[in-house]
Amino acid sequence: DAKTTQPTSMDCAEGRAANLPCNHSTISGNEYVYWYRQIHSQGPQYIIHGLKNNETNEMASLIITEDRKSSTLILPHATLRDTAVYYCIVRVGSGSARQLTFGSGTQLTVLP
Amino acid sequence: DAGVTQSPTHLIKTRGQHVTLRCSPISGHKSVSWYQQVLGQGPQFIFQYYEKEERGRGNFPDRFSARQFPNYSSELNVNALLLGDSALYLCASSLDPSGSRTGELFFGEGSRLTVL
Repeated sequence: DAKTTQPTSMDCAEGRAANLPCNHSTISGNEYVYWYRQIHSQGPQYIIHGLKNNETNEMASLIITEDRKSSTLILPHATLRDTAVYYCIVRVGSGSARQLTFGSGTQLTVLP
Repeated sequence: DAGVTQSPTHLIKTRGQHVTLRCSPISGHKSVSWYQQVLGQGPQFIFQYYEKEERGRGNFPDRFSARQFPNYSSELNVNALLLGDSALYLCASSLDPSGSRTGELFFGEGSRLTVL
């Protein structure tokens, strides 16, 4: 699986959009970009995933660059409950039995 | 609906002892994976089981073993505990090895093991 690079930490004001970047310059054509988050003392939680196109769900939006070498997770209106470690993971998608390879993630702190 | 449940939530062992951690997947999920999370790091893959068969193994010593039962629940066993085995052990389930939504795993709250 391709390696990802994320900033160690970020702050965001409550109510503002949180934009979390991720670099994955060695991504292959059949690898998806996944985002999970882990709130303190809880298990990781799936947020969103995508292959090429931008994706949006009830939690977040995922913007993938045209060359697929980087992506941005957007939380449109961050709340205090969004404070967590956010993991960007690249892996082969559908039909694969391969595991998730977590890096160190980005600690997002939403400030009141 | 109940999520992934793990037991015990916390436990303390001493070096050299053995530990068994248990996981019940979401109803209908047939695949269970185990991850180890050391403080300050992301989770690291240990095992994946599907239909009672091992489908994947991470870079962990043979002291770590696991199994899956006919009801799809799973146990993680660690023998001859070392101080470095102190970690949060996470169980994740999915419908099948590829995940319910192209790789989505559902994680439990974890079992926090402290080895003294």
